Amino acid sequence: DVKVTQSSRYLVKRTGEKVFLECVQDMDHENMFWYRQDPGLGLRLIYFSYDVKMKEKGDIPEGYSVSREKKERFSLILESASTNQTSMYLCASSLYWRLAYNEQFFGPGTRLTVL
Amino acid sequence: KNEVEQSPQNLTAQEGEFITINCSYSVGISALHWLQQHPGGGIVSLFMLSSGKKKHGRLIATINIQEKHSSLHITASHPRDSAVYICAVLTSGTYKYIFGTGTRLKVLA
Repeated sequence: DVKVTQSSRYLVKRTGEKVFLECVQDMDHENMFWYRQDPGLGLRLIYFSYDVKMKEKGDIPEGYSVSREKKERFSLILESASTNQTSMYLCASSLYWRLAYNEQFFGPGTRLTVL
Repeated sequence: KNEVEQSPQNLTAQEGEFITINCSYSVGISALHWLQQHPGGGIVSLFMLSSGKKKHGRLIATINIQEKHSSLHITASHPRDSAVYICAVLTSGTYKYIFGTGTRLKVLA
């Protein structure tokens, strides 16, 4: 079974703080993704990575950065947290890029509140 | 208009009822994914399909590629089925995931 874990289930931070969200997968997947989920909007892609040290912007990258130094680990960084970044953050991984049947596996999510 | 539309947005059913959740999409796809999200956040994969029908226990998923439509059925619904059900498509060519906004299901005992 693929296991995707996230460093925290719940996180409360103050405006202006630097925030790190970590994601680890244990199945040697090439691809990793960070999404945020907001009511009525569904999941939106922030960034993804298809290899170590590689990253691509998703649909809403503004205010975020990412780091992938090791294949199993993908970090999402909020350089200066703002209240509009209060959201549920979900990490996912999948086997290979450009695979027609490329199922994504999700972590448990981190509910971030920025005060 | 969203590229992936789900209906209904909210659904309340009595225990034992047969439930149908619909997903329509407007892009070319290589596969469609049904996901389940319980309160608390974690998303679990239910089915991934590119044609026909799949069944797992009381859950059945169908897809009609020509009509760009998929349905998720739950037979003999139970309160533990209460969750948000999300449809996602894996686009052909770009291999990008596009998500629907989800259907919130509540099954009453």
